[in-house]
Amino acid sequence: DGGITQSPKYLFRKEGQNVTLSCEQNLNHDAMYWYRQDPGQGLRLIYYSQIVNDFQKGDIAEGYSVSREKKESFPLTVTSAQKNPTAFYLCASRDIENTIYFGEGSWLTVV
Amino acid sequence: AQSVSQHNHHVILSEAASLELGCNYSYGGTVNLFWYVQYPGQHLQLLLKYFSGDPLVKGIKGFEAEFIKSKFSFNLRKPSVQWSDTAEYFCAVGEVMDTGRRALTFGSGTRLQVQP
Repeated sequence: DGGITQSPKYLFRKEGQNVTLSCEQNLNHDAMYWYRQDPGQGLRLIYYSQIVNDFQKGDIAEGYSVSREKKESFPLTVTSAQKNPTAFYLCASRDIENTIYFGEGSWLTVV
Repeated sequence: AQSVSQHNHHVILSEAASLELGCNYSYGGTVNLFWYVQYPGQHLQLLLKYFSGDPLVKGIKGFEAEFIKSKFSFNLRKPSVQWSDTAEYFCAVGEVMDTGRRALTFGSGTRLQVQP
């Protein structure tokens, strides 16, 4: 089954800890994205990658980091520098027609 | 920077009522336009998209949207809603530039509640 797999679905983090959210796609898409979804604010872009070994900051990149060592994988690290990390995180990829497909998301809660 | 506005944050309708959700964007160049839907407990799904051609586009489940370039708008419509249309709806805009396509910018979403 082709698609985007995010893990874990639910994650609890203690303050001061870094956590990494996984995103894997088998759609052979070059471009991948991380969005954050907060109630009433829609989706905001954290980082995106147009191709392997390249990535760009989005609108709210502070406190986050990414890597793109393989086409299929685009993990997001939420660092302790992120002041308000509790949110729903969505990974996505884009096909050649510029349509974006989303994973099922990961809920991160800071305790 | 690009911005996308969805003015209706929460809409409550009875079944069989007509629906129109507004979406306006700020980018003056060439755009790709999308509506996504998020049903309760599910991930975001593409409802419909506009790239070029006929400005009236039809999507899944009886939804349609009209691109009005002069108004920078891409409103979503459905003649008769059903209880199963209860969801959150997001408008998204992608800028098409000489250097390629940037990531989509999303509106803040509209929560639609359809009462039986």
